[in-house]
Amino acid sequence: GAVVSQHPSRVICKSGTSVKIECRSLDFQATTMFWYRQFPKKSLMLMATSNEGSKATYEQGVEKDKFLINHASLTLSTLTVTSAHPEDSSFYICSARASMDRAIEAFFGQGTRLTVV
Amino acid sequence: GNSVTQMEGPVTLSEEAFLTINCTYTATGYPSLFWYVQYPGEGLQLLLKATKADDKGSNKGFEATYRKETTSFHLEKGSVQVSDSAVYFCALSAQNQAGTALIFGKGTTLSVSS
Repeated sequence: GAVVSQHPSRVICKSGTSVKIECRSLDFQATTMFWYRQFPKKSLMLMATSNEGSKATYEQGVEKDKFLINHASLTLSTLTVTSAHPEDSSFYICSARASMDRAIEAFFGQGTRLTVV
Repeated sequence: GNSVTQMEGPVTLSEEAFLTINCTYTATGYPSLFWYVQYPGEGLQLLLKATKADDKGSNKGFEATYRKETTSFHLEKGSVQVSDSAVYFCALSAQNQAGTALIFGKGTTLSVSS
């Protein structure tokens, strides 16, 4: 299958600082990218959907000013956690899809473990 | 709205046992349905999918049939192996404000012992 690379895999940051997570589709053009947050023993919560060249669409309850998403090219999307706090510590996963067709599978990055101290 | 409900785990089985993980969904329109698997320390991988009613997805001995009448997509395998130990996620792909998105169930942890 197609490869989605997510970087970094782990990051520890101080409270109040910002952290950027990158998601790249390595061998296909991702028209749509998704960002998820995975809580311990819980499912993946969709945070936002990002179509290349347009503003991300955030799910209800997700602060767009805190979780900045940029999808400037067909192979790269970034999630920036601004002014991070300990409650933002979580596992963040990106996903990319080559088409908006709902039948087309999405490919996932390896995830980023964010710890805010 | 769109949602997925799957059985809570963990599911603990002996090798060669039969596996069923239940999944039901609520969706507007006609979603596609997926099972993803997450092996320890790895990212999510697509296991199988079905895009319309009565379709059966299958891969690596796993099967699931898209049942519109019961809004279900239960995952089955006739004989599990230790290497099947992982977390399994049922998901649907449906319209949201931005187009389409994958909505996941909470995941079911499967542990297979020899």
